Amino acid sequence: DAGVIQSPRHEVTEMGQEVTLRCKPISGHDYLFWYRQTMMRGLELLIYFNNNVPIDDSGMPEDRFSAKMPNASFSTLKIQPSEPRDSAVYFCASRGSREQYFGPGTRLTVT
Amino acid sequence: EDKVVQSPLSLVVHEGDTVTLNCSYEVTNFRSLLWYKQEKKAPTFLFMLTSSGIEKKSGRLSSILDKKELFSILNITATQTGDSAVYLCAPGGTSYGKLTFGQGTILTVHP
Repeated sequence: DAGVIQSPRHEVTEMGQEVTLRCKPISGHDYLFWYRQTMMRGLELLIYFNNNVPIDDSGMPEDRFSAKMPNASFSTLKIQPSEPRDSAVYFCASRGSREQYFGPGTRLTVT
Repeated sequence: EDKVVQSPLSLVVHEGDTVTLNCSYEVTNFRSLLWYKQEKKAPTFLFMLTSSGIEKKSGRLSSILDKKELFSILNITATQTGDSAVYLCAPGGTSYGKLTFGQGTILTVHP
């Protein structure tokens, strides 16, 4: 298996622009997690899905953030409008019966 | 609110030394505790602990979970420069596999 796939790997955008991050989980995994990592706050869970249904979005910082999982093989995290404080590495992870497997992450820079 | 505290925050040692990394937690409905290693990329899975006791991996790494005292220890013996990384502790408290990550311990191993 190719593992968890994320795109893009790097994104540089200007404040106010819409940003869409994409994730393809490992086939057969029924849980999907979106995390954000910064030096100041560490690794934070934003939202997670079970069988494509959002279970807990309490970590989503503001209404500017939204996430969807239209099918078992694809999820998006959207930020609209983006702000400089959104700059971070965003990880997607998926889980089957045991541990979570992380994707390579998307490094987002908002100028 | 779930809490995870790792100590020390950073550690510098020389090759061949033995290190002990600590993780204390307060998690509602505790189910498991996971250790991850993060180099300059995504976290990679090391251990999953569900019962008090010891689990070993690759011979030099071992981990202990104490569910009564609510802590876990990660031991690395005969450290190598390749062990340099951030080590993350993540207890999980729900059946959906949601994890709360600690801030991590930065381990630097000098030759």
